[in-house]
Amino acid sequence: EVQLVESGGNLVQPGGSLRLSCAGSGIRLSSYWMSWVRQAPGKGLEWVASIKQDGSEKYYVDSVKGRFTISRDNAKNSLNLQMNSLRVDDTAVYYCATQYGSATYYVLWGQGTLVTVSS
Amino acid sequence: QSVLTQPPSVSGAPGQRVTISCTGSTSNIGAHYDVHWYQQLPGTAPKLLIYGNTNRPAGVPDRFSGSKSGTSASLAITGLQAEDEATYYCQSYDSSLSGSVFGGGTKLTVL
Repeated sequence: EVQLVESGGNLVQPGGSLRLSCAGSGIRLSSYWMSWVRQAPGKGLEWVASIKQDGSEKYYVDSVKGRFTISRDNAKNSLNLQMNSLRVDDTAVYYCATQYGSATYYVLWGQGTLVTVSS
Repeated sequence: QSVLTQPPSVSGAPGQRVTISCTGSTSNIGAHYDVHWYQQLPGTAPKLLIYGNTNRPAGVPDRFSGSKSGTSASLAITGLQAEDEATYYCQSYDSSLSGSVFGGGTKLTVL
């Protein structure tokens, strides 16, 4: 079965750090742009970050610039999101998703992993 | 405040037709970037419903259709069924933000 599986979500205090991972199964992630999209409780979808197939281009939403870092390991067929200086408003379900290009649609989504930032 | 504007909710009786609008600006939809639509059932991940303004992925019923004009786009659902009850999101690309933008989501209630 083709799927993306996120992991790493947890409860963390404000100012803390967390690393999310996304593993591909039945799909070669190196063929796709990869992105993280988040959804705060009861809210809509928000694009967070994207990375090109070879990692040479990375883009971030303004609210996470300087705090979050997207990376990928094509040898391990995985995607990561390092989140530092976490804030309460970063609380959300984080989804990884594949794209054919940075300006295109999200083809395949993972099931999501919950990040809760609270004291 | 989302970059793309959608109505918070729409409703319709089984068998009826409903439309969901998505309004953007000259830096996204109006800049000729495609609009895509997703269906999100409660407690699940979004699912691609329409891509490239009008195209349906394999397995999506032809009751779902998309259109785009100027700085706006629409999703139409005909022959409403109870299983269509979900939240629908539009998505495009914004050149001024260098990233994807989503609508705030529209909750469809099947009466």
